Amino acid sequence: DAGVIQSPRHEVTEMGQEVTLRCKPISGHNSLFWYRQTMMRGLELLIYFNNNVPIDDSGMPEDRFSAKMPNASFSTLKIQPSEPRDSAVYFCASSLTGEGNSPLHFGNGTRLTVT
Amino acid sequence: SQQGEEDPQALSIQEGENATMNCSYKTSINNLQWYRQNSGRGLVHLILIRSNEREKHSGRLRVTLDTSKKSSSLLITASRAADTASYFCAPIIQGAQKLVFGQGTRLTINP
Repeated sequence: DAGVIQSPRHEVTEMGQEVTLRCKPISGHNSLFWYRQTMMRGLELLIYFNNNVPIDDSGMPEDRFSAKMPNASFSTLKIQPSEPRDSAVYFCASSLTGEGNSPLHFGNGTRLTVT
Repeated sequence: SQQGEEDPQALSIQEGENATMNCSYKTSINNLQWYRQNSGRGLVHLILIRSNEREKHSGRLRVTLDTSKKSSSLLITASRAADTASYFCAPIIQGAQKLVFGQGTRLTINP
């Protein structure tokens, strides 16, 4: 099992540019979560999906952020336009079920730097 | 708030000593999970303890849960340098699907 795969590992972009982060969850997992981690704010839940359907996007900071899950094996998090304050490590995680008794499996994150 | 609050924020001990980290929360829970994060990596699930359990072991890890005090502790025995990491708890309330994390405890094991 390859685990949760995120790409790219690092992304450096200029303010105003569009950024797309990608995630491949573990095969067979029905839930997918996007988190953002910074020193100041810690680990924040942005959005999560069950069976490819967005369930709770209350953590998405602004309309500049959008997430999609077109199928069970792929999800994207897009920031358009990007701003320096979006600089953070973005993690994707998946779990077998959407219930809270199913552990999360995290990818190794995408470190985003917006200059 | 669903998230747990870890204490202390930072802990530094000598290799071989035991490390204890605590987690407090505010609502009734279904279970509580502990995770570890090594520098530059994603979180790794360590252990899940259900609300009807008081103690659970996994290797050198021992987790306790006191629902009356709304608290949990994670004990790492005979610590090793490789245990250096941040540790997070995630209390899961009834019916909740999402895991919310606090700031974690940063553990440093000195050789």
